[in-house]
Amino acid sequence: AQSVTQLGSHVSVSEGALVLLRCNYSSSVPPYLFWYVQYPNQGLQLLLKYTSAATLVKGINGFEAEFKKSETSFHLTKPSAHMSDAAEYFCAVAPFNFGNEKLTFGTGTRLTIIP
Amino acid sequence: SQTIHQWPATLVQPVGSPLSLECTVEGTSNPNLYWYRQAAGRGLQLLFYSVGIGQISSEVPQNLSASRPQDRQFILSSKKLLLSDSGFYLCAWSLGTFYPETQYFGPGTRLLVL
Repeated sequence: AQSVTQLGSHVSVSEGALVLLRCNYSSSVPPYLFWYVQYPNQGLQLLLKYTSAATLVKGINGFEAEFKKSETSFHLTKPSAHMSDAAEYFCAVAPFNFGNEKLTFGTGTRLTIIP
Repeated sequence: SQTIHQWPATLVQPVGSPLSLECTVEGTSNPNLYWYRQAAGRGLQLLFYSVGIGQISSEVPQNLSASRPQDRQFILSSKKLLLSDSGFYLCAWSLGTFYPETQYFGPGTRLLVL
């Protein structure tokens, strides 16, 4: 079974600083990987997804993530944090086998931006 | 464009009372539908998913049930709520026509059981 681990339930960065949110996956087969963002009291919104094409995936709002098979990681980054980035971020994994469309989510990382 | 609605937005219920949460999707046909629960510090837990009318798969055995009476309607129910049922309930949909699918989430219902 596949799973994801998000290191750090809370991350704080200063406005303008680099954002790095960590996600490591565990899967017996090459997975598909997703990052979702959740603003307070709202549903989740897709930021980006890795589907085995390019290993560096660009998403919305200036975020990107790099798939590193050797490290089993899919960390989310943004060069310069903005106050509007304050939210909770979830990494998710889906197995490679066609037909199984269930995502497994991590426990989330709450990002706080310091003015 | 597709939209997903959930109601109510907030609900406070006593222990032992029944529950009915509704989710509807507009602008698409035959979507896959999902119910998740989000508890503090525990991420998202998939409760049920459905690939068609009357087709429900349960991921976690508990006192909740789900039904899909119409193509774009998904209902989460309980006959008797427990304190542990408190949480943020999210409905999601996906096209299910290609893989990997992207799930699109509704605004959620916050349930507090007292």
